[in-house]
Amino acid sequence: AQKVTQAQTEISVVEKEDVTLDCVYETRDTTYYLFWYKQPPSGELVFLIRRNSFDEQNEISGRYSWNFQKSTSSFNFTITASQVVDSAVYFCAEGGQAGTALIFGKGTTLSVSS
Amino acid sequence: DAGITQSPRHKVTETGTPVTLRCHQTENHRYMYWYRQDPGHGLRLIHYSYGVKDTDKGEVSDGYSVSRSKTEDFLLTLESATSSQTSVYFCAIRGGPPSSYEQYFGPGTRLTVT
Repeated sequence: AQKVTQAQTEISVVEKEDVTLDCVYETRDTTYYLFWYKQPPSGELVFLIRRNSFDEQNEISGRYSWNFQKSTSSFNFTITASQVVDSAVYFCAEGGQAGTALIFGKGTTLSVSS
Repeated sequence: DAGITQSPRHKVTETGTPVTLRCHQTENHRYMYWYRQDPGHGLRLIHYSYGVKDTDKGEVSDGYSVSRSKTEDFLLTLESATSSQTSVYFCAIRGGPPSSYEQYFGPGTRLTVT
């Protein structure tokens, strides 16, 4: 069965700390896609990144970086030098090919205090 | 931003009444989805559509029906609302290959069933 686990329910950090959000997935698909979404307090869901299963190259975008490790079925998300604006719920998701829906983890609530 | 709107944005209704939520897209995307978001559950798929008049059930489809008579509109109907259907409902769209596999979400509809 497909499943996404975000073991950290809530994380609290102080501004400028680095923080890593964990995501572990299970899938039977040989080709699949992994995603991270951000949901700020305003409630909208914002797409952050997609990673293809056949591309294990890590990615960095500004203060955000993602570490994909197929061997451990993990797709972790690190925020460097966190800021108050990073406070949000972050969702990891997995999807297969074609039009299959995404399977979401339950989310990690990140609180960054000044 | 993807052109997705949802209406209404907020609704309060009584148990036993029918409710229809509308999702409208201007992207001409093939795939559309309805999710519900509840505390502790993340996002769960209700129904999805892979074309006009082509729909299928998701994980939590009981008590819901959908219709898609035009590419741009995907309707979610609660035939007889119950308190357990109090939730935030998100519509999403997804472009087919080779463009992308990520889903883009509408702003959400907060539904309260009293």
